[in-house]
Amino acid sequence: DTGVSQDPRHKITKRGQNVTFRCDPISEHNRLYWYRQTLGQGPEFLTYFQNEAQLEKSRLLSDRFSAERPKGSFSTLEIQRTEQGDSAMYLCASSRGDRGTYNEQFFGPGTRLTVL
Amino acid sequence: GENVEQHPSTLSVQEGDSAVIKCTYSDSASNYFPWYKQELGKGPQLIIDIRSNVGEKKDQRIAVTLNKTAKHFSLHITETQPEDSAVYFCAASKSTSGTYKYIFGTGTRLKVLA
Repeated sequence: DTGVSQDPRHKITKRGQNVTFRCDPISEHNRLYWYRQTLGQGPEFLTYFQNEAQLEKSRLLSDRFSAERPKGSFSTLEIQRTEQGDSAMYLCASSRGDRGTYNEQFFGPGTRLTVL
Repeated sequence: GENVEQHPSTLSVQEGDSAVIKCTYSDSASNYFPWYKQELGKGPQLIIDIRSNVGEKKDQRIAVTLNKTAKHFSLHITETQPEDSAVYFCAASKSTSGTYKYIFGTGTRLKVLA
């Protein structure tokens, strides 16, 4: 399978704990995105990377959230001191990012986080 | 701020009928409009997209139209089948302009009744 993969698929944690999610993009894609989706809503943009550089962050990304893409391949999203409001599906997407191309993003299956 | 409105929120059609989902965007600089299908427990799957330099695009039973003046775009599914049942999302983006995030609509739950 050469699509976007995410791990874990499900995570249940207690309020106040830290969690980390991983995303592996399609291998030749140099752009990687994180979105958050709550029940009954469309995905909301959190942040994106061009190779290893984090180029844009949403105001939704509070200081408890941090994302990295250290070698320009896989990415991690960490949430510190989780709150019940963090419960959501966290989606990762990737795109080629060639100059002049429109930006078709391909999504992974998501990580569903439940904060008790 | 940037916003995409999507209607209807739910849509039920008989198998074989057509379904139409409509979206309106606020940022006139948007130039790329993808549509995604999301099944329960899965990530969104790109089904069709349209760029701002064309008014219509078709792929088998699926078509998308764009009216830049009205900042309006629509998804048309003909000859619907039960496997078309899912949640559909429209999105708008200013691709090629340095910001690549998608602004999504709130989704349309399509039910195709056999």
